[in-house]
Amino acid sequence: DVKVTQSSRYLVKRTGEKVFLECVQDMDHENMFWYRQDPGLGLRLIYFSYDVKMKEKGDIPEGYSVSREKKERFSLILESASTNQTSMYLCASSLLNERDGYTFGSGTRLTVV
Amino acid sequence: AQRVTQPEKLLSVFKGAPVELKCNYSYSGSPELFWYVQYSRQRLQLLLRHISRESIKGFTADLNKGETSFHLKKPFAQEEDSAMYYCALKRFGGGFKTIFGAGTRLFVKA
Repeated sequence: DVKVTQSSRYLVKRTGEKVFLECVQDMDHENMFWYRQDPGLGLRLIYFSYDVKMKEKGDIPEGYSVSREKKERFSLILESASTNQTSMYLCASSLLNERDGYTFGSGTRLTVV
Repeated sequence: AQRVTQPEKLLSVFKGAPVELKCNYSYSGSPELFWYVQYSRQRLQLLLRHISRESIKGFTADLNKGETSFHLKKPFAQEEDSAMYYCALKRFGGGFKTIFGAGTRLFVKA
């Protein structure tokens, strides 16, 4: 009963490449989020979205952009990948009021070489 | 500043021993707090919410506004409790956004 699906489990990209991370949820949630997870730093919010075509910067948006053309899909874009963007990326979704907490995807481990 | 602090990166206990994972928060409003857990090779998932006052897998957490804490407790740890635990604070204003602590890795020894 997978509810938040991230398209890739592992990715290896070269420095300077444009990278797309895709996330799809089937719970009709209004909110979608992208976090990166790094040891000792926990989860840091990159971008989030309340609605289709809406996006808001999180705590660490530099070097990233997002796209939400459909309610169920939220894409994270690395315009020009750098080695310091090597990380685990987590997508999550929630109801608009976040009452029930977040549902997370299984993550994409991105390595930039 | 709004902040969630988990002072322990690693907590190691013996099976059957009590366990307490610490979480302190800094927030000017009325907080809403959560605990999330990530077992090895599994996705991050919600464990419990303070507003529900629930016990999940034997874990409980009480919000202490005076000490600004939301510690996660279990009286008798089990090996399957070994996981990464994150405390999270839901922020209000400018839309809801949840911030996470750095996490505590719990290791339960046989």
